[in-house]
Amino acid sequence: GAVVSQHPSWVICKSGTSVKIECRSLDFQATTMFWYRQFPKQSLMLMATSNEGSKATYEQGVEKDKFLINHASLTLSTLTVTSAHPEDSSFYICSAGRRPQHFGDGTRLSIL
Amino acid sequence: DAKTTQPNSMESNEEEPVHLPCNHSTISGTDYIHWYRQLPSQGPEYVIHGLTSNVNNRMASLAIAEDRKSSTLILHRATLRDAAVYYCILERDSNYQLIWGAGTKLIIKP
Repeated sequence: GAVVSQHPSWVICKSGTSVKIECRSLDFQATTMFWYRQFPKQSLMLMATSNEGSKATYEQGVEKDKFLINHASLTLSTLTVTSAHPEDSSFYICSAGRRPQHFGDGTRLSIL
Repeated sequence: DAKTTQPNSMESNEEEPVHLPCNHSTISGTDYIHWYRQLPSQGPEYVIHGLTSNVNNRMASLAIAEDRKSSTLILHRATLRDAAVYYCILERDSNYQLIWGAGTKLIIKP
């Protein structure tokens, strides 16, 4: 079946570092991908909609200069957390597809 | 935005059917109803989706009320591997965005 691959699965880095997370659709083309974050024991929160060849659409309250999204091809979207701080520590998940959407396995980001 | 309401948690015995309820009283006519489940530290897994009619697949059945203000996910014979958080979700038809609720933690007792 359709698979979405997310990399890395976990990352630990120092405060002030920028971190890039990749999301790939392995056997289908995705003009739209979605990025979520999830805090412990909470539901997924949509951060942004990534659109191939155009600017991402961010949800209210999500800083677009903090969370840079690039969707340069039909199979790859990247989320870069710039100048990460401890409050950015979270579980980040991407998805692609329509009905249904397919999710990556998530990236656990820990900022020290 | 239309929202969903689910019980925080439910328990069921292994090898018995499980009925997970979801209320979505503010659903609009074009909103699809999706169910996903999630294990700790993993991405969500698709279970089933529907619009108006009941749906069946190899994993589960989805029963949608005639007025579409509620739905029920049915696991016909629960196993220990079905223990997860189950999310009832509405989809914004215009751009396929999923509106996530709080989910139900399903506990399966052996």
